Formats: sequence, structure tokens, C-alpha cells
Amino acid sequence: GDSVTQMEGPVTLSEEAFLTINCTYTATGYPSLFWYVQYPGEGLQLLLKATKADDKGSNKGFEATYRKETTSFHLEKGSVQVSDSAVYFCALSVNTGNQFYFGTGTSLTVIP
Amino acid sequence: DAGVIQSPRHEVTEMGQEVTLRCKPISGHNSLFWYRQTMMRGLELLIYFNNNVPIDDSGMPEDRFSAKMPNASFSTLKIQPSEPRDSAVYFCASSLGEVRPRFFGPGTRLTVL
Repeated sequence: GDSVTQMEGPVTLSEEAFLTINCTYTATGYPSLFWYVQYPGEGLQLLLKATKADDKGSNKGFEATYRKETTSFHLEKGSVQVSDSAVYFCALSVNTGNQFYFGTGTSLTVIP
Repeated sequence: DAGVIQSPRHEVTEMGQEVTLRCKPISGHNSLFWYRQTMMRGLELLIYFNNNVPIDDSGMPEDRFSAKMPNASFSTLKIQPSEPRDSAVYFCASSLGEVRPRFFGPGTRLTVL
């Protein structure tokens, strides 16, 4: 069935380090892909999205490219800040069957 | 624009009491979702509505849980009677259709003693 798999956490990085959070997907149709971020004590917020292969979503310095050949949508940021500490969720939606799936979340802590 | 609004933000109650959580979706959104988040089980979809009609309630854990959407701008999730294992953060989300991006409210943190 359709699903997303993201890297296990927690991830701890020093400020200004490079971030990659891996996400791979399985889908029978042509999915749209999303990254959500959840700051402590808050709801999930849409961070970025991509709706077709080779699309790059970007927001707040984060980027992710929809790669159909590797069925991946890895989240990257060149220089993380303490304020990026949060839980990041990869998600996909497929029109076939009207399904929407979240990954299990990856906790990121950035230390000064 | 106002996002998804949930109330209360925090609820502490005793086992056996009735709990009602409220949600106002983003204006114009026709799909509404109730999620539960715990450390053990992560994010779980409980039920969702399309155009105020419940479509899939397979995630509702027990008959103690019920949800309604009397109109396009209001939904409730009720737990009666509540139990300690219901303690969690409950999120409401809305979207323009089931497969479009979902926008989450701030959540209600429920503690059942």
C-alpha cells in the first residue's frame, strides 16, 4: 500500500550544521509530497510541498526535491538554527482512493 | 486569515467525565479531520468529514468516542466516559479536499486523571 518512511530520530546538530532528513515513499499513483513541521506545543504546519516529479519545494531555507527515480523527498537545510528545533513529518497524498499519509516524524534538536 | 481554531487548549478532567473538544475549520475548507497524538502511537487519524458528512470513522478507538459536524464551520469530538488512556493531544485539521494539504489547529491537550 501507499506509505512514507522517514529516518528515525532523534537528530541532534550544532547550530549552522547541514541538515538532511530522509524520506522515501511508496505509492501506486502519482503522489503529492509534503513536509510538515511541529514546534513544541503547537500543531503541525505545512513547511513545503511538491506535486510532481523533479519539483523542488522550498520555504524558510528548507528544500526538498521530488525524485521519482529514487522515490524520495529528502528535507535539507544548509545551516540550521536553534529555532529549527522541532519534529518534522514527511507526508504524501494520492488521488487514487483519496489517501493522505504521514510519516512517523523525526525530532531535530539544534544546540548552540 | 484565521487558521483552524480549537478549544479548549487544555482540558483536565477526571475519569468517567464527559469531554467535548471543539473545532472551527478554515473558512471555505470542505474537509475536516480529527487526529490524536501520543508519544506511544504517534499521530492517528480518528475520523474525517467531507462537506459535513462523516466519511471514515475507522480510526475512532471505541464507542466512547463520537464526532459531529453540524455545519461547515463547527465540529465536535466527544468522549463519554473518558478514561486515563484517552490522555493525548487532539488536533483538528481542515483542507480543500481530502488529498490537498491539511492545515492543523493548535491542538487540545487532554489529561484524564
